Amino acid sequence: EPEVTQTPSHQVTQMGQEVILRCVPISNHLYFYWYRQILGQKVEFLVSFYNNEISEKSEIFDDQFSVERPDGSNFTLKIRSTKLEDSAMYFCASSETSGGPLSYNEQFFGPGTRLTVL
Amino acid sequence: AQSVTQLDSHVSVSEGTPVLLRCNYSSSYSPSLFWYVQHPNKGLQLLLKYTSAATLVKGINGFEAEFKKSETSFHLTKPSAHMSDAAEYFCVVRALNQAGTALIFGKGTTLSVSS
Repeated sequence: EPEVTQTPSHQVTQMGQEVILRCVPISNHLYFYWYRQILGQKVEFLVSFYNNEISEKSEIFDDQFSVERPDGSNFTLKIRSTKLEDSAMYFCASSETSGGPLSYNEQFFGPGTRLTVL
Repeated sequence: AQSVTQLDSHVSVSEGTPVLLRCNYSSSYSPSLFWYVQHPNKGLQLLLKYTSAATLVKGINGFEAEFKKSETSFHLTKPSAHMSDAAEYFCVVRALNQAGTALIFGKGTTLSVSS
């Protein structure tokens, strides 16, 4: 069964450093997403990406963050100059389409990357 | 704005007994609602979805949920718990009732199943 994969499973970095979190979405999917979950808090939407551009982003997704699909398989989240509060589990997801009002195309989630900023 | 509230952070049941995980939602329109499950070291998996069709929705692994507009609830149930059901469960609402796709998650309910 196809699945979304994420690497690394755990990333430790120093405050102020740049990190890149990597995701391989399911191969025929067209929409890609990043979510994060700070320990003890809700899973929060960060950004969605379609046709090589951001289609939607939350207020969390500021200039510190960027996303890219550098080739036909990878989808990355870059965090510039990490802060302590960026420590969280980051989930990547993908779906075939976005879905309309009466339909929902399932977002398939990866296992997450735990980012620890020291 | 849309939101969901999961009323229990932790639910403990015995194997073979019923499961009830409670969720209330707030939405300015007729919502799309979901339950996702996360097993340790696994990704989030869709259990079931409600998208304005039948109010009683059946999902995988014997779970079902009923959409009750009058109570703004979408509780998840299962008649008989299995050890493999132990996991984190998230009630989720879609942010926009159109092509917008952001999902809004509840805080999660940890289900423990004892033998």
